[in-house]
Amino acid sequence: QSVLTQPPSVSGAPGQRVTISCTGSGSNIGAGFDVHWYQHLPGRVPKLLISNNVNRPSGVPDRFSGSKSGTSASLAITGLQAEDEADYYCQSYDSSLRGSRVFGGGTKLSVL
Amino acid sequence: QVQLVQSGAEIKTPGASVRVSCEASGYTFSNYGFTWVRQAPGQGLEWVGWISAYTGDTKFAQRLQGRVTLTTDTSTGTAYMELRSLTSDDTAVYYCARDSPAAAVSPLEYWGQGTLVTVSS
Repeated sequence: QSVLTQPPSVSGAPGQRVTISCTGSGSNIGAGFDVHWYQHLPGRVPKLLISNNVNRPSGVPDRFSGSKSGTSASLAITGLQAEDEADYYCQSYDSSLRGSRVFGGGTKLSVL
Repeated sequence: QVQLVQSGAEIKTPGASVRVSCEASGYTFSNYGFTWVRQAPGQGLEWVGWISAYTGDTKFAQRLQGRVTLTTDTSTGTAYMELRSLTSDDTAVYYCARDSPAAAVSPLEYWGQGTLVTVSS
């Protein structure tokens, strides 16, 4: 069971908006540690999508946005496209686990 | 440009050890660290451990503590992950990724291509 909780799956039609939540606790997200988001396509290398809660690396479309509040963070995807179908993971740092980096369990996004 | 190139696929028997390498180029090796991540079949990403190429400090996932060793060789710009006493549960694709040289988490922007480790009798 992951320290960071994500919904196992979300879905949306092309053009719609979806959000993926990442719920932590006072020892990770709630303690102020940054959240990063990754997109993982089958057979590919994970790709950094959002860094430090809200920042988009160069080349990431502005359809992707991140936010953070309290003990949770969210990834929003607007204008869904078929190519967005992938697994999405949040990552942060947990001070109670001997300084471990932690990943969420992952969310499978299906574009209907 | 930053590149991380990992060693090839491995097939091991239960109880054996495996060492995966990650050769870095395109940046100053000792200014960063490495995080190792694995993905078992049908499972999500699992953090394995972190090493600073600057200080040699390491941190490990609790469930792997005692079985995993992370090292770096500054002379060749290569990071290594060794996992011992392998079981079928260790069958996974193992990734290295460039990380912060300090304990604080930095976003993992650069990743190796992944190394499939299969544990089977």
